[in-house]
Amino acid sequence: QKEVEQDPGPLSVPEGAIVSLNCTYSNSAFQYFMWYRQYSRKGPELLMYTYSSGNKEDGRFTAQVDKSSKYISLFIRDSQPSDSATYLCAMSDVKTDSWGKLQFGAGTQVVVTP
Amino acid sequence: EPEVTQTPSHQVTQMGQEVILRCVPISNHLYFYWYRQILGQKVEFLVSFYNNEISEKSEIFDDQFSVERPDGSNFTLKIRSTKLEDSAMYFCASSEGGRREEKLFFGSGTQLSVL
Repeated sequence: QKEVEQDPGPLSVPEGAIVSLNCTYSNSAFQYFMWYRQYSRKGPELLMYTYSSGNKEDGRFTAQVDKSSKYISLFIRDSQPSDSATYLCAMSDVKTDSWGKLQFGAGTQVVVTP
Repeated sequence: EPEVTQTPSHQVTQMGQEVILRCVPISNHLYFYWYRQILGQKVEFLVSFYNNEISEKSEIFDDQFSVERPDGSNFTLKIRSTKLEDSAMYFCASSEGGRREEKLFFGSGTQLSVL
């Protein structure tokens, strides 16, 4: 079983719709959960960071973590064409001595059509 | 906003040759990382570096790989004898500190093609 699973998409939504993205994971030691956005030919850019379970909101973005189900989600409200990108989930466990050793999902390509 | 700079953006090399990928992390950052992404696959951690030594490395980071901070601004990844399977996008990243909530800033990557 892969440690982090993410549907690669593509996910196509009309402008203004809610984008719903998710990842599942198998390693119960993961405690730190992140969502990155990656535009074509660019490096990943951190969008949201969550520690352990719960919800976090930042503008149009909401991240949710359900550790009991090993499931994390990212919601983008009022989506814009500029939100078109690949969204990567990433996780880190408590055992690693080095912050920055992240396990990434495969990324979901999102296309927001005007 | 400050950014991580990587050069070159594309590197083509012959199998068996040595390559050096270069990165200039954000100036006040202390922690440095290399990741790679093989086409169609996940972004994978290679190595983290702090205080002039490796903090952690993955199974991918074998004896063919090395990292160095040769001066106060550059951070390099060297592959001694490239293989076809080393073809990938290599991302450098840096963070200000090593705390759990630290934001990693990624560069735009170097696309390495091994022929």
